[in-house]
Amino acid sequence: GAGVSQSPSNKVTEKGKDVELRCDPISGHTALYWYRQSLGQGLEFLIYFQGNSAPDKSGLPSDRFSAERTGGSVSTLTIQRTQQEDSAVYLCASSLVWGATEAFFGQGTRLTVV
Amino acid sequence: AQKITQTQPGMFVQEKEAVTLDCTYDTSDPSYGLFWYKQPSSGEMIFLIYQGSYDQQNATEGRYSLNFQKARKSANLVISASQLGDSAMYFCAMRELPGNTPLVFGKGTRLSVIA
Repeated sequence: GAGVSQSPSNKVTEKGKDVELRCDPISGHTALYWYRQSLGQGLEFLIYFQGNSAPDKSGLPSDRFSAERTGGSVSTLTIQRTQQEDSAVYLCASSLVWGATEAFFGQGTRLTVV
Repeated sequence: AQKITQTQPGMFVQEKEAVTLDCTYDTSDPSYGLFWYKQPSSGEMIFLIYQGSYDQQNATEGRYSLNFQKARKSANLVISASQLGDSAMYFCAMRELPGNTPLVFGKGTRLSVIA
């Protein structure tokens, strides 16, 4: 497809389990972002990939969170030993880096930890 | 560090009226871009309008315009002739240019359009 694709769209998991969230960016976009949006809140930056550079992990809330981007395209956000406070919508976005362009967002993955 | 402030958690506007959503920002970088996104109840983030820090004129896109006051570091969104479909969350965001930094978002303003 032409847009950013995220899977799954919904995920319910038990506390303590690990989860993986996937993001397929728009082809040719070298920048990829993960954000978290808790209920009724704004977007919290988690991690940012730009081309082959080391990712900006400054927004990751704890060492239970990690992300990788393989081949400069698909990205996976992993949350280990999930906690109830991890429940949120996880949004992925991609953009061209150079120049003033907007980020295009996926539909998000709604994670519920029970 | 960049920071975006949206001081209006919620706004109401009568259908067909204009409404202004406030956004102030803070950055030490002279080159940056300002963005507004709309998030309807369905959850997707929809890009609305962009303003560059060196742009001489205020950006406009259809019924959306950005009231950019650089000295005051404000980038308010003006929606003219409000429609019921404009009811949504609105987020102001910025990034330093040339673009190798992530977008930083404000907490958003919930706009409700009343018939």
